[in-house]
Amino acid sequence: GESVGLHLPTLSVQEGDNSIINCAYSNSASDYFIWYKQESGKGPQFIIDIRSNMDKRQGQRVTVLLNKTVKHLSLQIAATQPGDSAVYFCAETSPSGGYNKLIFGAGTRLAVHP
Amino acid sequence: DTAVSQTPKYLVTQMGNDKSIKCEQNLGHDTMYWYKQDSKKFLKIMFSYNNKELIINETVPNRFSPKSPDKAHLNLHINSLELGDSAVYFCASSSAFDYGYTFGSGTRLTVV
Repeated sequence: GESVGLHLPTLSVQEGDNSIINCAYSNSASDYFIWYKQESGKGPQFIIDIRSNMDKRQGQRVTVLLNKTVKHLSLQIAATQPGDSAVYFCAETSPSGGYNKLIFGAGTRLAVHP
Repeated sequence: DTAVSQTPKYLVTQMGNDKSIKCEQNLGHDTMYWYKQDSKKFLKIMFSYNNKELIINETVPNRFSPKSPDKAHLNLHINSLELGDSAVYFCASSSAFDYGYTFGSGTRLTVV
């Protein structure tokens, strides 16, 4: 069956350090990937996306890397701030079904310490 | 001005009851979804509607019945609630041109 991501681990970082959150996916037909941030009591919030024709995409303080060979996705957050503390999810979708099914990974909790 | 709004935010009810959760989006999106998030934070799709038509039903028990009166609304009715239905339910929407979903803030359902 399809699966994305790992069981919910916790990544603890010091404020100002860089954070790297990893995700594995298993559906080789997936060609669009998204990272979401979920703060306590809120819904998932779009951070950054990447299509399979790219290896890297940068946003403001965030970079997503895609390695299709090993089906791996990572989210890098530069100069991590306390406000970055949240659960981060990778998600994938494919042309099958017209991109109407977004499959989420299990999430990673990011804890930022002052 | 909330893009995807769900009501209620919290719902506590007894086993066997019937309850509804409402969702509205003002983004002009064509597709709406219901997702269930369990106690381990795992998010799983339940239903997807495109222009009021059901396009995905992820083997959800038929006690769950979504209804889309128009493309801006997608409600979820749950019959004969069970303890295992306790979770956070998220509504989301997307457009045909932007596959990134916009999520509501969730409805925490607790069945006692």
